[in-house]
Amino acid sequence: AQSVSQHNHHVILSEAASLELGCNYSYGGTVNLFWYVQYPGQHLQLLLKYFSGDPLVKGIKGFEAEFIKSKFSFNLRKPSVQWSDTAEYFCAVNAPYGNNRLAFGKGNQVVVIP
Amino acid sequence: NAGVTQTPKFRVLKTGQSMTLLCAQDMNHEYMYWYRQDPGMGLRLIHYSVGEGTTAKGEVPDGYNVSRLKKQNFLLGLESAAPSQTSVYFCASRRPDLRGETQYFGPGTRLLVL
Repeated sequence: AQSVSQHNHHVILSEAASLELGCNYSYGGTVNLFWYVQYPGQHLQLLLKYFSGDPLVKGIKGFEAEFIKSKFSFNLRKPSVQWSDTAEYFCAVNAPYGNNRLAFGKGNQVVVIP
Repeated sequence: NAGVTQTPKFRVLKTGQSMTLLCAQDMNHEYMYWYRQDPGMGLRLIHYSVGEGTTAKGEVPDGYNVSRLKKQNFLLGLESAAPSQTSVYFCASRRPDLRGETQYFGPGTRLLVL
């Protein structure tokens, strides 16, 4: 079964700072990779996903993530954060074609100070 | 198109009481999931279903039961609630296992067991 690791559970930064959240997964085969965001008091929303093609994926609100197969990583980045990016961010992975389940990381709580 | 809805939004139970959480989706999705979210633990899969009349156990199924009598509904039952089941419960749904299929989440049910 696949598993997902996210480090630095709590991240505090100032507006305009750059953000990078790490995500590593353990699964040797083909994977689908996702980043979800949960704003305070809200449900999870898809930020971006990778399943094939260009390993640099662009999502909503200026976020992007890079899939590096050799490192089993799918790190999320944003060059300049805003106060409205305060949220919890979850990386998730599933193996397609027979595996119906997403494995989630434990999340990164990001607080952006105005 | 309401997407994924959950009822109730919030509930307080006493230890030993029972209740049922309802998840409904109007996207004609085959797959449905129940997760619980606890601080620092990410999302953990309780049970899931790959079609009407089918259910399967996830990571943390103990103390919960589910039913999928209709394609659009997925019920999560607690027969005898325990304080350890205090959590936020999220339902999700998606189409069958194609590359990059996104899970869509409901708004959550906050459960407090005293």
